[in-house]
Amino acid sequence: DVKVTQSSRYLVKRTGEKVFLECVQDMDHENMFWYRQDPGLGLRLIYFSYDVKMKEKGDIPEGYSVSREKKERFSLILESASTNQTSMYLCASTPALHTYEQYFGPGTRLTVT
Amino acid sequence: AQSVTQPDIHITVSEGASLELRCNYSYGATPYLFWYVQSPGQGLQLLLKYFSGDTLVQGIKGFEAEFKRSQSSFNLRKPSVHWSDAAEYFCAASGGYQKVTFGIGTKLQVIP
Repeated sequence: DVKVTQSSRYLVKRTGEKVFLECVQDMDHENMFWYRQDPGLGLRLIYFSYDVKMKEKGDIPEGYSVSREKKERFSLILESASTNQTSMYLCASTPALHTYEQYFGPGTRLTVT
Repeated sequence: AQSVTQPDIHITVSEGASLELRCNYSYGATPYLFWYVQSPGQGLQLLLKYFSGDTLVQGIKGFEAEFKRSQSSFNLRKPSVHWSDAAEYFCAASGGYQKVTFGIGTKLQVIP
């Protein structure tokens, strides 16, 4: 089975802190994604990566950055966390360029106080 | 702009009753279409997908969906709902290069 894991299920950080969310997939997938999920807004794409060291902005990249140094790992970085970044963050991966079925991790619920 | 609309934010059905969750899409061409389910505190799991061919698609957990090009719809159905089906359901579409657009989700409540 494809497995996508996220480093934390719950995280509480203070305003202004630098926050790292880690995502690891174990099936050698080329593409990885970060979404945030908010009630009434569904899932919104923050960033995605189609290869090591490659990244593309999604719909809401402001306030976020990403890093992909290894194929299996995709990190989301909040350089200076703000309260409006309190949300559920979901990581996903797909195995090939033209396969659109996404495999999701369990999510990280981040609270910024 | 590409969009996916789920008009029902919350639906309540009795256990054993039939279920239909609505989804409409707006794309330049027929996109790839998906339904995902999210149980409380969990990530999303794929229920079924439509790429081409037969417009009635069977998925896991007894779900099916019907693609109707004329209505730009991809509604999810289940003939008899179980209490374990209570979850949030997301319709999604993709027109190319991996980017997937999700609807806002429909929360399903199942009552005894």
